[in-house]
Amino acid sequence: EAGVVQSPRYKIIEKKQPVAFWCNPISGHNTLYWYLQNLGQGPELLIRYENEEAVDDSQLPKDRFSAERLKGVDSTLKIQPAELGDSAVYLCASSRDRLHEQYFGPGTRLTVT
Amino acid sequence: DAKTTQPTSMDCAEGRAANLPCNHSTISGNEYVYWYRQIHSQGPQYIIHGLKNNETNEMASLIITEDRKSSTLILPHATLRDTAVYYCIVRTQGGSEKLVFGKGTKLTVNP
Repeated sequence: EAGVVQSPRYKIIEKKQPVAFWCNPISGHNTLYWYLQNLGQGPELLIRYENEEAVDDSQLPKDRFSAERLKGVDSTLKIQPAELGDSAVYLCASSRDRLHEQYFGPGTRLTVT
Repeated sequence: DAKTTQPTSMDCAEGRAANLPCNHSTISGNEYVYWYRQIHSQGPQYIIHGLKNNETNEMASLIITEDRKSSTLILPHATLRDTAVYYCIVRTQGGSEKLVFGKGTKLTVNP
C-alpha cells in the first residue's frame, strides 16, 4: 500500500512570498492532518480534516495560513505571505478515521530567507 | 503540553534489547499510550499502542505498569536502523484525537 505522499520535499522562498504544500493521503483514509515541526521539537497539529470538513483548526494561524481538502482526498496547505519564522517541516498524516493510528508523510522542509 | 516524561537520550548496542521508559503519572482511565518514532529526515512512524495490557507486534513490545503511570517500549534486537527519536504519547480514544508530541528520546544504536 502506498504511503502518504507530500510535495515538494524541499522549498526555499523569500519572505513575503506565498507557498503551497500538497498532500495525498493513503487511499481510503478519511482523516487528514497537517502538522508543523520546528527543529528539535515534536510535531504540532495545525489542522485536522474529517473527509472535506476541517474539524480542528484551532492551532492554524488564520491570518496567513489556509488549507483545503477538496473532494475529501488530497489537501493543500498555503502560507501567504511567508515569514522567517515559518521555516520548519510541514508534515501531513492520514488515518482510517479519527480513532485509528496516524501515518505520516516525509514532510516538506520550508526555508524562508 | 505533553503529558509524558522521557529521557532526552539513550544508547544501545546493536543486537541488544533497547528499553525506552516513559512516565505518564497523570494518565486517565480512558487514555491510551502510543509510541511513534521519527528517523532522521522522515515523518513519524507508528509503532504500537496500548491501554492497560502489554502489547506486542512485529516491531516492538509495550509494557504498561499495573498502575498505568509508566510504560516501557522494548525493541528486542536493536539494529542501526532503529536509531531515531522515540515519542511516547497519551491520547484519548474517542475524545480529543490530537497527538501531542513532546521532545521524545533520541535512541542511538551503536555498532
